[in-house]
Amino acid sequence: RKEVEQDPGPFNVPEGATVAFNCTYSNSASQSFFWYRQDCRKEPKLLMSVYSSGNEDGRFTAQLNRASQYISLLIRDSKLSDSATYLCVVNRRNQGGKLIFGQGTELSVKP
Amino acid sequence: EAGVAQSPRYKIIEKRQSVAFWCNPISGHATLYWYQQILGQGPKLLIQFQNNGVVDDSQLPKDRFSAERLKGVDSTLKIQPAKLEDSAVYLCASSSPLALAGGVARRDEQFFGPGTRLTVL
Repeated sequence: RKEVEQDPGPFNVPEGATVAFNCTYSNSASQSFFWYRQDCRKEPKLLMSVYSSGNEDGRFTAQLNRASQYISLLIRDSKLSDSATYLCVVNRRNQGGKLIFGQGTELSVKP
Repeated sequence: EAGVAQSPRYKIIEKRQSVAFWCNPISGHATLYWYQQILGQGPKLLIQFQNNGVVDDSQLPKDRFSAERLKGVDSTLKIQPAKLEDSAVYLCASSSPLALAGGVARRDEQFFGPGTRLTVL
């Protein structure tokens, strides 16, 4: 079993739709959680960190459930420019900050 | 602020040949990472340096891969000899315990370079 697993994609949605990505992690020692965005043929970039209390950044909302070892990302009012691959990432601080990436979920927003 | 620089951007070689990649991290970032990203997968850490010391190389195939960061700044990753399954994008990243990005402090954020796309024929 992979340490970080994400919804298989791709997700094809119309502009303005709300889309949710799910992610589970298997190592309870994971301490920090992130969503990264990766555009086609580009490097990953941090989208947002995920906090236990949940956090929101504009149209993006991230949630963490430590008991269920589950992370989610909600995108509201999706834009064409949101088309990318979304990577769920966990960090084990007791191992020097090593990032463990999920395989990514591709999102395609259509007009 | 200059980002992480990598070269070359693309490389095509035949199997059993050797190849080297270069990375220059963001100035002042003590931690440097090399990741391998195979098509359709997320990046996988190969090696992590703290200054010029290795923190984690547990997933580096040491029979063919080597990496160094001699002066604690630039780093090189080498593959010798290359196999078909080494075809991937090799990403370099750097981080600082408290890095500034656009004027906002983000603890431990890793900043990635554009990557080197390797094709082994």
